[in-house]
Amino acid sequence: KQEVTQIPAALSVPEGENLVLNCSFTDSAIYNLQWFRQDPGKGLTSLLLIQSSQREQTSGRLNASLDKSSGRSTLYIAASQPGDSATYLCAGHSNDYKLSFGAGTTVTVRA
Amino acid sequence: NAGVTQTPKFRILKIGQSMTLQCAQDMNHNYMYWYRQDPGMGLKLIYYSVGAGITDKGEVPNGYNVSRSTTEDFPLRLELAAPSQTSVYFCASTPSGAGPYEQYFGPGTRLTVT
Repeated sequence: KQEVTQIPAALSVPEGENLVLNCSFTDSAIYNLQWFRQDPGKGLTSLLLIQSSQREQTSGRLNASLDKSSGRSTLYIAASQPGDSATYLCAGHSNDYKLSFGAGTTVTVRA
Repeated sequence: NAGVTQTPKFRILKIGQSMTLQCAQDMNHNYMYWYRQDPGMGLKLIYYSVGAGITDKGEVPNGYNVSRSTTEDFPLRLELAAPSQTSVYFCASTPSGAGPYEQYFGPGTRLTVT
């Protein structure tokens, strides 16, 4: 069974600092890895999906990497802004179309 | 496309009552899922479906039932509600076939059982 862990559970940074969010998983046979953003009381917004054959994906200020051999994925957010404050969830796809979620990292960007 | 829609947005139930959470998608996705999210936790899979007429249990199915009579709809039934079912419920869908299997989520239903 895929176990996904996100550490730390919460993070507070000043505006402009780069954010580094960590995600680790136990099963290196992971199919894809997906990063989500969740605002308080809202649903999940997909940010990036990294296929198992890829090592990274980029979208604007966001960059996500995937290292299957070490069981890690990292989400980088460059030049953070107060609007980046949210909870970020990572989830590993297995090849049977199911997702295993981490508990998330709650980010606060201070103006 | 409306994407994945869920109703209601909020609901308060008394212990022992029953209700159905509605989920619909207009993307012609074969795979649909129900998750619950408890405070400070990740999402846990309740039930999923790989197509009309086919459903299967996820990680936490006890106290819930599902049906999938059409591709578009995937309702979740709570029988005899208990306080432990207080949670936020999310429905999701994904296309089948070749990847990358990105999952699309609905806005959620916030349920309180008192």
